This record gives sequence, structure tokens and C-alpha cells, in this order.
Amino acid sequence: QSELTQPPSASGTPGQRVTIFCSGSTSNIRANSVNWYQQLPGTAPKLLIFSTNQRPSGVPDRFSGSKSGTSASLAISGLQSEDEADYYCAAWDDSLDASVFGTGTKVTVL
Amino acid sequence: QVHLVESGGGVVQPGRSLRLSCAASGFIFSSYGMHWVRQAPGKGLEWVAVIWYHGSNKYYADSVKGRFTISRDNSKNTLYLQMEGLRAEDTAMYYCARPYGGNSITSAFDIWGQGTMVTVSS
Repeated sequence: QSELTQPPSASGTPGQRVTIFCSGSTSNIRANSVNWYQQLPGTAPKLLIFSTNQRPSGVPDRFSGSKSGTSASLAISGLQSEDEADYYCAAWDDSLDASVFGTGTKVTVL
Repeated sequence: QVHLVESGGGVVQPGRSLRLSCAASGFIFSSYGMHWVRQAPGKGLEWVAVIWYHGSNKYYADSVKGRFTISRDNSKNTLYLQMEGLRAEDTAMYYCARPYGGNSITSAFDIWGQGTMVTVSS
């Protein structure tokens, strides 16, 4: 099963902007909405962004999502210490009839 | 409050079977497709399977196809994952997850359970 490709790590100092990219294909990212999940250590994933650029209630507007073609991105502006976590992109894949997750990016706040 | 609670995990020998359950509460379970997602220790998330709200349609990841069966009992608000022929590589935390779009199985997972750990080892 194919995965979406993310950089293994990203980092920034408090207040900086960090962007995580997610690379996919025509059958997943181009064709469907992209979702982003945040996973803090030892906890279940939490929905961060849905429908490519929508934030669930309670998610700070520091988090934003977008996509172009077969790639998507998650931006964290005004980085805070509590943003230190693993982040996963995900999308439905029309060719596989499956949901696919990104490889995950660990964000470190320096 | 909307809740998903998994159970049934444990230590099992290779080749044996295990059935996981996911009890749902706080929403109309029968109106939602449901997914299973797993995460091996120290690894990323891997989608496992999905079942439509009515239970008639199911899709599986290639890694579990033919060995795992997803099912549901809407009268009991419970989702299941029957796992057969377990392998060491099936060792993972297993989460059930609800798509926010109800019967739209392709929508984002807005509710996750806390997970149940499955360890396949001799």
C-alpha cells in the first residue's frame, strides 16, 4: 500500500513558522481532500485539519493547510512548545480504495 | 459525549487469532462508516480497514487482506476486527476511528479511541 511522503523531522524556535510538506499522487492528494493529524507522545491522534484547509473547533488558527496538485502542506505559525508532536497527513486513495497516511513528521521546538 | 473504547488486545502467538472490539457511545453509530487504524511501536500510522454504515461494504489494506475481517453490530453500537493468522508485523496499537462525514467513509477521522495493544510473539 502506498504512503504519502513527509520529511521525518522539522524544527523551529518559539514564534517561528514551520511548514510540513506531504507528497502524494493523482489518486490521493490531487483527487481528494487532505487531512492532518497531530499526535502527542503516548496519545491517540487528533484531527488538526480536515478538507485540506478547515480547522475543527478548538484548533488554533496558527495551524493552516493547503494543497497544490499532488502535494499538500501544513503550516504552523507562531510555533509554541506545546506544538512539539508528530504530524501526519492523510487522504483517501481512489485507486487503492484505501485511506493512506503520510510517513509522519516529528516537529521539535528548539 | 462522543466516545470510542477499544478492547480485546493482548499477547498472542504467531498464527493465532484475536478479536478486537470498539464500543461507541454519544452518537448514532448506525449512521457512520467506521475505520480501524494501527500503529506499530515507534512507527507511523497505518490504515487497516473500513466498513460502511450498513455493514455491507468493506475495504482492507493489502497487508491484512484475507486475514482480517471488519464487522459491526449496530444494535450493540460496536465495531469489530477479527484477526486471523497473526504475524509479528501485526504487533501494534489498534485504534478505531470515526469519519466526521457520517456515511462518507473518505472524510477525516474526527473521533479516535484510546487504542488497544496487540503483541504477536512466541
